Amino acid sequence: GAVVSQHPSRVICKSGTSVKIECRSLDFQATTMFWYRQFPKKSLMLMATSNEGSKATYEQGVEKDKFLINHASLTLSTLTVTSAHPEDSSFYICSASNLVDPLDTQYFGPGTRLTVL
Amino acid sequence: GQQLNQSPQSMFIQEGEDVSMNCTSSSIFNTWLWYKQDPGEGPVLLIALYKAGELTSNGRLTAQFGITRKDSFLNISASIPSDVGIYFCAGQGDAGGTSYGKLTFGQGTILTVHP
Repeated sequence: GAVVSQHPSRVICKSGTSVKIECRSLDFQATTMFWYRQFPKKSLMLMATSNEGSKATYEQGVEKDKFLINHASLTLSTLTVTSAHPEDSSFYICSASNLVDPLDTQYFGPGTRLTVL
Repeated sequence: GQQLNQSPQSMFIQEGEDVSMNCTSSSIFNTWLWYKQDPGEGPVLLIALYKAGELTSNGRLTAQFGITRKDSFLNISASIPSDVGIYFCAGQGDAGGTSYGKLTFGQGTILTVHP
């Protein structure tokens, strides 16, 4: 089946530093990857849609300069949280899909727990 | 924007009981999906529904896509302790529209199963 990995699984950083999270599709080529944010016991909120070779599309209210997304290859997308602050602490989850088939499914990574001190 | 209303928010049941949860939407979705999320993990797809009125089973799970494409239910029969987790419904928009490929999630149903 389709496997998506994320690295790191957990990260703790100091306020003001930047953190990069990787999302990889291990056994399929992902033309599109999605980045979500989830607070404890809450639903997943879509942050941005990342298409290989083009700029990401951000959802309303998500700062593109704060959350930098790069999708340089068909198997890798990265999310960089720049100048992180405690309010950026959250569970970040990516998903990957091959949208050549409109009915294709999004496969989710295991998530990355970010804690900003 | 599109919103999914999922209920109940939480359920506490005894092992062996059946479970039912549902989602409604103010918008029409092309595809309806049900996911389960364990603590500290990403969501795992349980069932995908593509046609209005479609009824699909996956083991002890049964889900149906409403005729209007605005609602869905998920049933779990004979619950077991490993069914514990958060269940999310999600709607996926039409191809070619502004919401193409995107998922909109419900608020989730937290399921607790007592042995």
